[in-house]
Amino acid sequence: GQQVMQIPQYQHVQEGEDFTTYCNSSTTLSNIQWYKQRPGGHPVFLIQLVKSGEVKKQKRLTFQFGEAKKNSSLHITATQTTDVGTYFCAVLAPKTSYDKVIFGPGTSLSVIP
Amino acid sequence: DADVTQTPRNRITKTGKRIMLECSQTKGHDRMYWYRQDPGLGLRLIYYSFDVKDINKGEISDGYSVSRQAQAKFSLSLESAIPNQTALYFCATSSASYEQYFGPGTRLTVT
Repeated sequence: GQQVMQIPQYQHVQEGEDFTTYCNSSTTLSNIQWYKQRPGGHPVFLIQLVKSGEVKKQKRLTFQFGEAKKNSSLHITATQTTDVGTYFCAVLAPKTSYDKVIFGPGTSLSVIP
Repeated sequence: DADVTQTPRNRITKTGKRIMLECSQTKGHDRMYWYRQDPGLGLRLIYYSFDVKDINKGEISDGYSVSRQAQAKFSLSLESAIPNQTALYFCATSSASYEQYFGPGTRLTVT
């Protein structure tokens, strides 16, 4: 079945440092989504990427979809303590009868003030 | 926001008991999902439903059943709970774009 890998599993950064998490698939993806889950909270949708090579920005967050549509990255510039949480990528499983969303295992970010 | 609600929020139950987790949504979405979250394993899909008459198994459906009572309601049942079903359970809905909206979660402990 569809497998999605994320690296790193954990990342500890000093406040103000940059952070990047990577999402990789062995198959070509139709799209990719990113979610953030704060400690004790529920996942919240951040963005969806659809086009090859697509780059989208949300304030200090930059999302990129690879040219081959097999990988994606989320980069946070100058981390803040509010960035703490787990970041998940999610992809559509290959079409069978219906599409469903498959989540990666997540990258847990800690920010040291 | 309270677009997706889950009850109960926390539950402790004993091995062998039947338990039902309920989910309601006001987003008007046809698609609803049940996920299980365990540390380090991300979110794993248990069941999903694309309309009231449609139920599909996800990655880890064994030991679980679901009921889609209405467009807005999707419940998850554990017929005979076992300790390795201790986890955080999330309900979610999505539009046709597959953007998922999650409920606050139910923390279930099976002793």
